[in-house]
Amino acid sequence: KNEVEQSPQNLTAQEGEFITINCSYSVGISALHWLQQHPGGGIVSLFMLSSGKKKHGRLIATINIQEKHSSLHITASHPRDSAVYICAVRDYGGSQGNLIFGKGTKLSVKP
Amino acid sequence: DTGVSQDPRHKITKRGQNVTFRCDPISEHNRLYWYRQTLGQGPEFLTYFQNEAQLEKSRLLSDRFSAERPKGSFSTLEIQRTEQGDSAMYLCASSLVTPPRLDTQYFGPGTRLTVL
Repeated sequence: KNEVEQSPQNLTAQEGEFITINCSYSVGISALHWLQQHPGGGIVSLFMLSSGKKKHGRLIATINIQEKHSSLHITASHPRDSAVYICAVRDYGGSQGNLIFGKGTKLSVKP
Repeated sequence: DTGVSQDPRHKITKRGQNVTFRCDPISEHNRLYWYRQTLGQGPEFLTYFQNEAQLEKSRLLSDRFSAERPKGSFSTLEIQRTEQGDSAMYLCASSLVTPPRLDTQYFGPGTRLTVL
């Protein structure tokens, strides 16, 4: 079992829909990251959070430390949101240096 | 553009050849990470540097892999005697660690390696 699980693996939505991507993890963490990866490989960090909720534009990230679960929400989705969204955690008890990544959720937003 | 650059962006090589990739981090960043990503998977940690010191290496980093960051700025990742299983996207990321603040990693565009 992977230490970081994301669902769904693939998601197709119509423009304007509200989107939720989920991330569950099994290790104690010091931080959780949501990353966006566009075709061609470039990765952009969207959020880093260790508690509560963060909002940036149409993106909202929440984390529940007790339940070891995080969600990424996209409001009023747009075709330019189409990308792979990756959840990654910093293992609190393990390495100081690296992130443990989920496999990603491939989002496709249709016009 | 995150400010982290990687060169080359694509590399095609024959099995058994050596390849070297370069990463230029954001200039004031003291940490530099290397990751590998195969198709359909999330990235996997390979190694990281704090300034010029290599502090951790993943078990994925076999003896054929070596990484350096000689002056604490750019880094190189070399793969010797490449194998087809080495085909992947190699990602570099950098961050500024100022304890106790947690660091945000900034990723480069990656180098896509294809071993024929």
